[in-house]
Amino acid sequence: NAGVTQTPKFQVLKTGQSMTLQCAQDMNHNSMYWYRQDPGMGLRLIYYSASEGTTDKGEVPNGYNVSRLNKREFSLRLESAAPSQTSVYFCASSVGDRGSTDTQYFGPGTRLTVL
Amino acid sequence: AQSVTQLGSHVSVSEGALVLLRCNYSSSVPPYLFWYVQYPNQGLQLLLKYTSAATLVKGINGFEAEFKKSETSFHLTKPSAHMSDAAEYFCAVSRLRGSARQLTFGSGTQLTVLP
Repeated sequence: NAGVTQTPKFQVLKTGQSMTLQCAQDMNHNSMYWYRQDPGMGLRLIYYSASEGTTDKGEVPNGYNVSRLNKREFSLRLESAAPSQTSVYFCASSVGDRGSTDTQYFGPGTRLTVL
Repeated sequence: AQSVTQLGSHVSVSEGALVLLRCNYSSSVPPYLFWYVQYPNQGLQLLLKYTSAATLVKGINGFEAEFKKSETSFHLTKPSAHMSDAAEYFCAVSRLRGSARQLTFGSGTQLTVLP
């Protein structure tokens, strides 16, 4: 039981390049999330997927796209990377019970640098 | 809108001393509150969560937090700090928005434990 896994762990891009961050969970969770973490700002939600087949914008969606490939996998794509997207990206998943204290479980993160 | 404020971006304590990390929330409805810990170069790990069942919540690694509605606070404490507690701690509030529960994080408190 690996929980939430993310690939790659590290990535360096040049401005304008594209890439996809991969996330997978093996907990049979319905909901999945992408966050970015910047110093002094905590974690901010980029996109989320409440269930397979649905995606919604979070607090900072500009410059990103997502795909919920199946129940297990949720990818984040940067079409044209910018230095402002230099950050640590975290994927999370949860059961997705809207009526409870739904708990999110986090992956180890991807450190992205855009030059 | 729901939000959390963490007072003190850096806290230093001596090994064996009391740990107190402050979190105040703003919510128009009874909040669901969480504390997460992030060790260096790792993802976030759940410490504890407030579910409204009890105002004093016990978590992992000897941490606990008390929900005080009158003070709109959910401070995290540990009676005796250990070197292994050095990490960044995040308070978060859960809210139902759109089709899923979303977490809004505070900006984090870096805990340093001095020998």
